[in-house]
Amino acid sequence: ETGVTQTPRHLVMGMTNKKSLKCEQHLGHNAMYWYKQSAKKPLELMFVYNFKEQTENNSVPSRFSPECPNSSHLFLHLHTLQPEDSALYLCASSQGNGAAETQYFGPGTRLLVL
Amino acid sequence: GQNIDQPTEMTATEGAIVQINCTYQTSGFNGLFWYQQHAGEAPTFLSYNVLDGLEEKGRFSSFLSRSKGYSYLLLKELQMKDSASYLCAVTDSNYQLIWGAGTKLIIKP
Repeated sequence: ETGVTQTPRHLVMGMTNKKSLKCEQHLGHNAMYWYKQSAKKPLELMFVYNFKEQTENNSVPSRFSPECPNSSHLFLHLHTLQPEDSALYLCASSQGNGAAETQYFGPGTRLLVL
Repeated sequence: GQNIDQPTEMTATEGAIVQINCTYQTSGFNGLFWYQQHAGEAPTFLSYNVLDGLEEKGRFSSFLSRSKGYSYLLLKELQMKDSASYLCAVTDSNYQLIWGAGTKLIIKP
């Protein structure tokens, strides 16, 4: 138990669906992250929020839309996804976003797009 | 471009020692992390090195050579529960974490 929870743990959706992934951290951290993890590939950083402000958007397609209403919650809204978007989506948090900050990960949402 | 290289898969025997290597080429360097990820679970922090040398933490040690762009994770007295993927990640000059693809470690009895 890392103090970061994600729901749902598994999600199957069609390409025309709209769904949202939720992340919550109970660690009092100020920075939150969304990553995409595909088999045998490095973790891909998607978005970074620091004190609720988005500080990083790594050329992510607009069909992924993040939302950070407060420092403890992070959402990833999904719409008109493609089959290649099937992956494990990991949320992480850290105290700040400095060089030595350890990131604490949630268990991930396993997404399958049909 | 930025690049982190680590072996895709390694196999070792219970009770033995294994060394997982990581080489990196990044724009700047502000530290190197090792994470452990069991199948279907969250990555969890193992170690952080920013200065050259060996950091020991129980059965696990991590080594860094900044001049060579090289690190290794050393696991001693291997246990079956050590079967997992081990992820190497480097913080670059923009404080972004650059990740390797991970090394899947298989422990055999």
